[in-house]
Amino acid sequence: GAVVSQHPSWVICKSGTSVKIECRSLDFQATTMFWYRQFPKQSLMLMATSNEGSKATYEQGVEKDKFLINHASLTLSTLTVTSAHPEDSSFYICSARPVSGGGGNQPQHFGDGTRLSIL
Amino acid sequence: AQTVTQSQPEMSVQEAETVTLSCTYDTSESDYYLFWYKQPPSRQMILVIRQEAYKQQNATENRFSVNFQKAAKSFSLKISDSQLGDAAMYFCAYRSGRNFGNEKLTFGTGTRLTIIP
Repeated sequence: GAVVSQHPSWVICKSGTSVKIECRSLDFQATTMFWYRQFPKQSLMLMATSNEGSKATYEQGVEKDKFLINHASLTLSTLTVTSAHPEDSSFYICSARPVSGGGGNQPQHFGDGTRLSIL
Repeated sequence: AQTVTQSQPEMSVQEAETVTLSCTYDTSESDYYLFWYKQPPSRQMILVIRQEAYKQQNATENRFSVNFQKAAKSFSLKISDSQLGDAAMYFCAYRSGRNFGNEKLTFGTGTRLTIIP
């Protein structure tokens, strides 16, 4: 089945540093990947849609300069949390949908998530 | 904008029994997809079942089935013969059928399911 790999799974860093999270589709190509944020005991909130070869589309209220997204290839999207602060601590999850076959019926496949803790 | 509502923050069921999780949604679209995802303590999101709105037949996947009521905008999940491994957070999700290739998921707030041995 379709596998999405997310790395790192857990990161702890000091306030003010930048953190990069990678999302890779291992056995399929994805022109579009999605980045979600999940606070403890809450639902997933879409942050942005990452489009291969073009700019990401951010949801309302998400700072594009704070959360930099790069989708350089059909199998890799990265989310960089710049100048991270404690309030950025959260669980970040990416997902990707296969490009080919199945039409709109193809579901999104999720990575295992990244737990980000800013001290 | 589409909204997804899960009115049951928590549910519990005896092992081997059947439980139904509720989900309602609001949309003005006629073409869309509905999903149930499971998130165990490991936090990985696992697709449980999906339903195309244009299909009248309810989707089934082994012990999991849905009751899709399009007119009522209801999409409940039934888990039969509950097992300890079913314990997780369950999220209902909506995706538009338009904007092919750029569809985002709208999630409900989730239902935490506990299986009682």
